[in-house]
Amino acid sequence: IQLTQSPSSLSASVGDRVTITCRASQDISSFLAWYQQKPGKAPNLLIYTASTLQSGVPSRFSGSGSGTDFTLTISSLQPEDFATYYCQQLNSYPITFGQGTRLEIK
Amino acid sequence: QVQLVESGGGVVQPGRSLRLSCVASGFTLSSIAMHWVRQGPAKGLEWVAVISYDGSNKYYADSVKGRFTISRDISKSTLYLQMNSLRVEDTALYYCASITGTAANWGQGTLVTVSS
Repeated sequence: IQLTQSPSSLSASVGDRVTITCRASQDISSFLAWYQQKPGKAPNLLIYTASTLQSGVPSRFSGSGSGTDFTLTISSLQPEDFATYYCQQLNSYPITFGQGTRLEIK
Repeated sequence: QVQLVESGGGVVQPGRSLRLSCVASGFTLSSIAMHWVRQGPAKGLEWVAVISYDGSNKYYADSVKGRFTISRDISKSTLYLQMNSLRVEDTALYYCASITGTAANWGQGTLVTVSS
């Protein structure tokens, strides 16, 4: 199953609302997760089952979608949110990741 | 508290072998599926392999199938990745991770460099 994220990179300002999309090549129900990765660090789980916020993750992060189309939204960007974001499908093996979206400061 | 610590990375010539280890603490390996995921230099995440919670099922990415083998030793709380016939394109930071539908814990990774 291929996952296509868009955009590949994004420039935004603190306080902006940002949306990243992830499209699956076939129906994956809600078996989708979103990760945040900062340079030199392991990925950190933000959202699982497409829309459930992982414990400890700020509520400005939200996820939606099912089937083949998914979105990650950050309602009001904070300085610590500038990072790379990946979607991941767990519907079937091989597990796959999107190619990543790099979120940069404008 | 769940902790995963990888080791075994290094510089190796193409065609050679390397075995990675991942010591788990805070949970038992027999309770959860365990994965290896890699990340090439300045590249995205690539899933490599998984072993099921009971050890009965193993799956691999096409890029490593037939060359890599995932295994575990419950008594040592250790996950392994045996990597044979290494290629330059296997150069990456290798993470072990416990990933379920509702949680994920990752180690900090061990670096494998394949170069002549």
